[in-house]
Amino acid sequence: QQQVKQSPQSLIVQKGGISIINCAYENTAFDYFPWYQQFPGKGPALLIAIRPDVSEKKEGRFTISFNKSAKQFSLHIMDSQPGDSATYFCAASLYETDSWGKFQFGAGTQVVVTP
Amino acid sequence: DAGITQSPRHKVTETGTPVTLRCHQTENHRYMYWYRQDPGHGLRLIHYSYGVKDTDKGEVSDGYSVSRSKTEDFLLTLESATSSQTSVYFCAISDKRDGTEAFFGQGTRLTVV
Repeated sequence: QQQVKQSPQSLIVQKGGISIINCAYENTAFDYFPWYQQFPGKGPALLIAIRPDVSEKKEGRFTISFNKSAKQFSLHIMDSQPGDSATYFCAASLYETDSWGKFQFGAGTQVVVTP
Repeated sequence: DAGITQSPRHKVTETGTPVTLRCHQTENHRYMYWYRQDPGHGLRLIHYSYGVKDTDKGEVSDGYSVSRSKTEDFLLTLESATSSQTSVYFCAISDKRDGTEAFFGQGTRLTVV
C-alpha cells in the first residue's frame, strides 16, 4: 500500500516548456516533503524540499507547490532543459520525530525533455 | 558522490547463496541507510544505522541483515538470496538523524537467478 502516489509515470516535454509532477499522500502527520532527481546509473539526489508551513518554495527553475488541505504537492520545472531529463521522486516523512530516513517514496516520474 | 562508494556495482548470484554488499563512506557521517529501488515502488528503506554497532530495521528488512563495525563501512547481507531480492540497492549517508539531506551512492544492481 503506497502512502505516496505520484503521477504521471512518464512525461515528455519540449525544451522551454513546463514539467509538472504531482504527488498525493495519505498520512496527515507527514511534515517534510522532498523531491529527488535521479539520472541513469546514479543515485537519487535531493533537489528541493518543503515543510507544510509554506505553500510554495522556489529554487531556480524548480518550484514545489503544496496544498495541505488536499494532501497534495507538486513539482514544477520551468523552462525545461534537456539536462533535466531524469527520473523524479517525491517523498514524505515525519520531520520532527525520529523518522530515521523512513521516507515514503512515490513510484517516480521519468521526464524526457526534447530539444 | 559525496564520498560514498558501493561495491560491487553489479552482481549476479544464484538463488540460495549468501551475498554481501558494501557501502564505504569518507564523510564521517553518523547515519547510514540501505534502500532498495524497484519499478513502481520508488525507494524503500531496508535497514539503517545510527552509529557503530547500532542498527535497526526499516520497512522491508525481511531476508536482510546488516553490520557496522566501523563508522565508514555499512554492510548489507542477504543470507540466502531469492529472486524477489533482485533489485538496485542504494546506500545513503546523512549527518542528520531524521535522514534529511541524505547523499546516495551510485547503487549496486543485484540479479538473483
